Amino acid sequence: AQKVTQAQTEISVVEKEDVTLDCVYETRDTTYYLFWYKQPPSGELVFLIRRNSFDEQNEISGRYSWNFQKSTSSFNFTITASQVVDSAVYFCALRGNTPLVFGKGTRLSVIA
Amino acid sequence: GAVVSQHPSWVICKSGTSVKIECRSLDFQATTMFWYRQFPKQSLMLMATSNEGSKATYEQGVEKDKFLINHASLTLSTLTVTSAHPEDSSFYICSASVKRVYYEQYFGPGTRLTVT
Repeated sequence: AQKVTQAQTEISVVEKEDVTLDCVYETRDTTYYLFWYKQPPSGELVFLIRRNSFDEQNEISGRYSWNFQKSTSSFNFTITASQVVDSAVYFCALRGNTPLVFGKGTRLSVIA
Repeated sequence: GAVVSQHPSWVICKSGTSVKIECRSLDFQATTMFWYRQFPKQSLMLMATSNEGSKATYEQGVEKDKFLINHASLTLSTLTVTSAHPEDSSFYICSASVKRVYYEQYFGPGTRLTVT
């Protein structure tokens, strides 16, 4: 069975601080994809990144970076120099030979 | 590209009535559509998967007679909540895929249902 664990339920940081959101996954599929989505108060999911199981290269996009480590089944997300607009719920998700399975989400509050 | 719309974006209905939510893929043909439900401050839980022209496959614990899913065309799937009760109040999100379950999923903006 596929499982995604986001142990951090809520995180609060002061603007300009860096913050890392943790994601640990479980799957028996050899080919799978990992995702991060942002869900602002409006509710609409915003796609942030997709990473396949064969690509362990870290990725950076502006203030966002992702660290994928197969050895620890983790796919962590770091926001550098956080801003108030980053406040949202962030979901890590996994897709193998099944539809997307989501973690419980981490609510990030960035305080000015 | 890959835009998915939902209608309505929010709906309020009385207990005991039925409500239909539409999910459309606007610029691609969706072979497979998925319906998720999200209760306040909780994660998205998959309710069912439907392939065009076939009956939907429901996840364990989801009542198929209560949540009727129709995927009659490659661009439209509907979710009908029958005899709605207050506990059905939730945020319903659809997603669409151009192929079977192991392919990319594109999400709609969601429909907020409130049953009074």
